[in-house]
Amino acid sequence: QQQVKQSPQSLIVQKGGISIINCAYENTAFDYFPWYQQFPGKGPALLIAIRPDVSEKKEGRFTISFNKSAKQFSLHIMDSQPGDSATYFCAAGSTGNQFYFGTGTSLTVIP
Amino acid sequence: DTAVSQTPKYLVTQMGNDKSIKCEQNLGHDTMYWYKQDSKKFLKIMFSYNNKELIINETVPNRFSPKSPDKAHLNLHINSLELGDSAVYFCASSRGLAISYEQYFGPGTRLTVT
Repeated sequence: QQQVKQSPQSLIVQKGGISIINCAYENTAFDYFPWYQQFPGKGPALLIAIRPDVSEKKEGRFTISFNKSAKQFSLHIMDSQPGDSATYFCAAGSTGNQFYFGTGTSLTVIP
Repeated sequence: DTAVSQTPKYLVTQMGNDKSIKCEQNLGHDTMYWYKQDSKKFLKIMFSYNNKELIINETVPNRFSPKSPDKAHLNLHINSLELGDSAVYFCASSRGLAISYEQYFGPGTRLTVT
């Protein structure tokens, strides 16, 4: 059973545009929601993370929006750049337990 | 300096063979993990160790046996390899078990079983 559902599977955005990736979860015990970025041939790397006590977190061009009641969270990449082209994974977990990763979104930013 | 390193980077072997993947971290972290990423890029945890003790052991066939000789190393031994074991295996480490600690991933080992 997929603990975290992620969409879309792939995304193509023009340079300068906004990339939006969505995730949904069911387990209300989850209390930590990171996003990982993975370039081809590399391991995933933490991009940004949020706790459910806030509805939004911004770091540079990357913003997580969190909707606790809907059990959904999303990653927004503002002013998308070709260098942002990568696979993005959302994840969710609860203290003392493991992460569950989403299925990944392959982002391509066209120059 | 590489924070989390894995060897080998590529591993091609035949069904039925036994192989090992080595992982080392020089970050001084207490917790290490093994993940499997399948052909569809789905990432799933297999094991986690904290201070050389097994913490998480997901529903992984017992042909997979992790070994942690010390806090800096977590090796993965696979017996009787099957076609379905073909995947990219990632080692990761974090400061501790708290879920908010960032996990640092290695570069991955691409295992191909023929």
